[in-house]
Amino acid sequence: KQEVTQIPAALSVPEGENLVLNCSFTDSAIYNLQWFRQDPGKGLTSLLLIQSSQREQTSGRLNASLDKSSGRSTLYIAASQPGDSATYLCAAQALETSGSRLTFGEGTQLTVNP
Amino acid sequence: KAGVTQTPRYLIKTRGQQVTLSCSPISGHRSVSWYQQTPGQGLQFLFEYFSETQRNKGNFPGRFSGRQFSNSRSEMNVSTLELGDSALYLCASSSSRGSFSYEQYFGPGTRLTVT
Repeated sequence: KQEVTQIPAALSVPEGENLVLNCSFTDSAIYNLQWFRQDPGKGLTSLLLIQSSQREQTSGRLNASLDKSSGRSTLYIAASQPGDSATYLCAAQALETSGSRLTFGEGTQLTVNP
Repeated sequence: KAGVTQTPRYLIKTRGQQVTLSCSPISGHRSVSWYQQTPGQGLQFLFEYFSETQRNKGNFPGRFSGRQFSNSRSEMNVSTLELGDSALYLCASSSSRGSFSYEQYFGPGTRLTVT
């Protein structure tokens, strides 16, 4: 059974700092890994999707990497801004199960202080 | 292109009642998944529908059911509501290739409160 863990659970940084969020998964047989952002009381916004054959994906100030062999993914946020404050979730789609089932981590709550 | 829409956005029900939530996927997406989000359990997969058929199911009791219509819109039903069913219910849609799905796009959710 796939388990996804995110560290740290919460992170507070000053504006402008570069930061890394960590995600680990127990079953390396994944189809893809997706990073999301969630603002309080809202739905999830997709940030980046990494297919199992890829090593990383970039979008603006965000860069996500995937290392299947070690069961880890990281989300790098450059030059953080107060508007980046939100909960960040990673989710893995297992290869063994067809369909769209995602297994989510508990999330990292990020606060960027002005 | 319009995003995933969910109705209603907020709902208050009494224990023992039943409720139906609706989800309209992004145009062209045939896969619709449902998730329950609570502070204690996080995000948990309920089920997925693809081309009007349930393709995958999570570990929830039979009180939770769903269906998908020919236009890909989906409904989720919870019967005999319990206090523990209070949660944010999220719907996601995606396009699909064979057995697997591409990037998931989530709606704003329906906040269900059971009193």
